[in-house]
Amino acid sequence: EAGVAQSPRYKIIEKRQSVAFWCNPISGHATLYWYQQILGQGPKLLIQFQNNGVVDDSQLPKDRFSAERLKGVDSTLKIQPAKLEDSAVYLCASSLKEAGVSNEQYFGPGTRLTVT
Amino acid sequence: SQKIEQNSEALNIQEGKTATLTCNYTNYSPAYLQWYRQDPGRGPVFLLLIRENEKEKRKERLKVTFDTTLKQSLFHITASQPADSATYLCATSGAGSYQLTFGKGTKLSVIP
Repeated sequence: EAGVAQSPRYKIIEKRQSVAFWCNPISGHATLYWYQQILGQGPKLLIQFQNNGVVDDSQLPKDRFSAERLKGVDSTLKIQPAKLEDSAVYLCASSLKEAGVSNEQYFGPGTRLTVT
Repeated sequence: SQKIEQNSEALNIQEGKTATLTCNYTNYSPAYLQWYRQDPGRGPVFLLLIRENEKEKRKERLKVTFDTTLKQSLFHITASQPADSATYLCATSGAGSYQLTFGKGTKLSVIP
């Protein structure tokens, strides 16, 4: 079974530039998550999708971050314009939808973003 | 607000010993608690899930306990090996929710 795919693996941009990350979840997983992981911290949820609908984006800085999951499969996360404090690893995860159960999440390798 | 503390940033133990990692939470009562392993440059990997009505869960050399009175989970690795060296993350979620709140993690080093 193929895992969660993410690209690119690394990205270096200057502040105020824009950047986009791509994620392809495990086939059949209805739920997709984007996390931000700053060095030395645990992952912080940015947005959660159920199929192609947003379940929770309360921690997404909507003035500069946007995400979409067209057709309920792969997803993109965009930052425009980037700030220095956006330097982090951006992780994508997916899980099966099973009512009433907190399912394990499967993570991709992440994209390491450096903003200079 | 929800708060999770993994009160050891780093833990060094001798090979063959049992490693015990601690996860404490405050200001809420999660229905589920999960433990993940993260190696450098990789995403977290799921290890174990325990429900609030379960006291203990085991998987091979791993054991997790969940004490809702103390608001604490303990994660044990018995007969530890250098290959167990990694950062271990604790995460909680509520009933009917798929959202996880992660702790900062504990970096475990198993010394040969």
